[in-house]
Formats: sequence, structure tokens, C-alpha cells
Amino acid sequence: QVQLQESGPGLLEPSGTLSLTCVVSGVSISSTNWWNWVRQPPGKGLEWIGEIYHSGKTNYNPSLKSRVTISVDKSKKQFSLELSSVTAADTAVYYCARDPATWDGVAYQHSNWFDPWGQGTLVTVSS
Amino acid sequence: QSVLTQPPSVSAAPGQKVTISCSGSNSNIGINYVSWYQQLPGTAPKLLIYDDNKRPSGIPDRFSGSKSGTSATLVISGLQTGDEADYYCGAWDSSLSAGKVFGGGTKLTVL
Repeated sequence: QVQLQESGPGLLEPSGTLSLTCVVSGVSISSTNWWNWVRQPPGKGLEWIGEIYHSGKTNYNPSLKSRVTISVDKSKKQFSLELSSVTAADTAVYYCARDPATWDGVAYQHSNWFDPWGQGTLVTVSS
Repeated sequence: QSVLTQPPSVSAAPGQKVTISCSGSNSNIGINYVSWYQQLPGTAPKLLIYDDNKRPSGIPDRFSGSKSGTSATLVISGLQTGDEADYYCGAWDSSLSAGKVFGGGTKLTVL
């Protein structure tokens, strides 16, 4: 079955750049899926960060777009998140998740649901 | 402040039925499918319902979803203590600030 596993530094200083990786197993990263990042601040709700298709096409949360870059490395079967100029407000558990694409007759579109999710990784921004 | 609105908490006794609402607008729930997730304490969210009312393989039929206009509802029947968790709704928002959005989450307490 499809499995996702996040990894990356758990602590970084304010103004730095958060970098996380999600390794995909059980399915080709070049299959018809959108690969997503979602975060959850401690004790709070879920926030979608953005997504990437294996072609390299990306979509980002407008509120984070200026600071976010999502990329894919097919050879390593992984996709990555970079979030620049971090502050304490970026402290959260970061999840990667799959959104299966569906063919609408013209192109592969989002299904707009997430399954499965990675286990999540806590990133703390603090000096 | 979340784009989709959920009640912060609901509660019911074991064996009872509970409903969790998710209110949106014509740019999200009104024109796009809704999904629901269960997040047990200390774990990642898990897909419960997709495309408004479909259950993934392995999800018991005690969980059901529906939608009417710009609101969606998750119903959990035959409550079990193991259902105590946070529940989130999600959808695509087609407004100028397009993207995937979630509700603020609802804490279910099984009394």
C-alpha cells in the first residue's frame, strides 16, 4: 500500500528556511497523484500548504505562496518542502499526503481529498 | 479563522448518534466535493469520507456523510469510545484565493 514518510530538522531558528522531505513508497511518484504538504500548529487545526504533480506543476496556499517552494525528485522517489523566513508562527507538525488525480476528459485534476498521510514531523522555530 | 466552519465540540453517549456540521459558501462546499477526516490523539488525520458521501475501504458504515447547499454533515452512529477524536472537513475553494481548505475541527467526546 502507499506509504509516506516525512523527514527533516526538528528545530530551526527564526528567519531561517524550513526544509522537509517526504519519501513515497508503494506507488510510483510519477503516477497520477498530487503530492501535498499540510501543517498543524500545536493544539490547532489543519492548514494546506501546497502540492506538486510529477510534471512539476505546483499549487500553493495563497497566504504562504511568497515563502513556499515544493519540488519533486523522481530518482529519489521523494518530494520536498521549503518554507523561507520562518517565525514562531510556523511551528507545527508538518504532514505530507497524497491527493489522487482524476481524469476529467481534458486533464488530471485533484480529487481534493487526502489519503494516505505521513505520520508527521514536528518542526519548532525558536532561538 | 478557517474558511469552513465547524462546531468546536460535540458529545454523546456510547451507542448514540452524533452529527458534526461543516458550513461553507458557494465557492467551496456549494460547488465542490467535501471530505472528512478523523484524527485520534497524537496521530495523523485519517480519511473517513470523500466526494461528500463515499467511504474508503475499511471505514465502517457507522460513518456517513451528506451535503446540502453550502453545508455538509458527518454522522457517526453507534458511538464507541474509540471514536473520541478530532474531526475535520475539507474542500476545494474556487474563489480568487483558490486552494484546499479545512474546517477548524470538532472535538468529539464520548461520554
